[in-house]
Amino acid sequence: SYELTQPPSVSVSPGQTASITCSGDELGDKYACWYQQKPGLSPVLVIYQDNKRPSGIPERFSGSNSGNTATLTISGTQAMDEADFYCQTWVSGTAVFGGGTKLTVL
Amino acid sequence: QVQLQESGPGLVKPSETLSLICTVSGGSVTSERYYWSWIRRPPGKGLEWIGHIHYSGSRNSSPSLKSRVSVSLDTSKNQFSLRLNSVTAADTAVYYCGRYCSGAGCSLAIDDWGQGTLVTVSS
Repeated sequence: SYELTQPPSVSVSPGQTASITCSGDELGDKYACWYQQKPGLSPVLVIYQDNKRPSGIPERFSGSNSGNTATLTISGTQAMDEADFYCQTWVSGTAVFGGGTKLTVL
Repeated sequence: QVQLQESGPGLVKPSETLSLICTVSGGSVTSERYYWSWIRRPPGKGLEWIGHIHYSGSRNSSPSLKSRVSVSLDTSKNQFSLRLNSVTAADTAVYYCGRYCSGAGCSLAIDDWGQGTLVTVSS
């Protein structure tokens, strides 16, 4: 079965750039999206179709997808960005989530 | 703006069937643009997609859960439901319902989520 691999954790200092990767076989040939989930809350879509931001998502969130890796980049990271992040793609009509990355802003 | 709300028992006994309903407001489950989805997050683990259904009857589910999962629509109540049979402690999770937009002009992602409901499998 298809798998998406994310690092379990990423740390970043406030104001710096955080990058979270998501790896999967020929992932660049599919669309990737990213969700942010804060404790006790539902996931929120922050990037869709590799690099598009839904309305209301700050410009500091951006995405890319090429080869076997999709990347979520948060520029000028703020304390409020601390959360779990999940990548997701579709394979043969089924959704596949990455294992999730805990972003710590310290 | 669409709103989704999960409901159902918070406690299910092992080997029994977990049943949840998602009530949709501000949108219709008969929309051609959307699939109606179920996702879960076990304690201390990540998100897991369970399955989804379209008004046309098209449906799909996770290969790992396929033999135990059933997703259905009730258009008269604007609801969709999940049934997961033969549950074990491993099925303990927060269960979310969601709306996936498919087709031209869509995000091809789960745009809207319910608040989630915790289901514990225990005797």
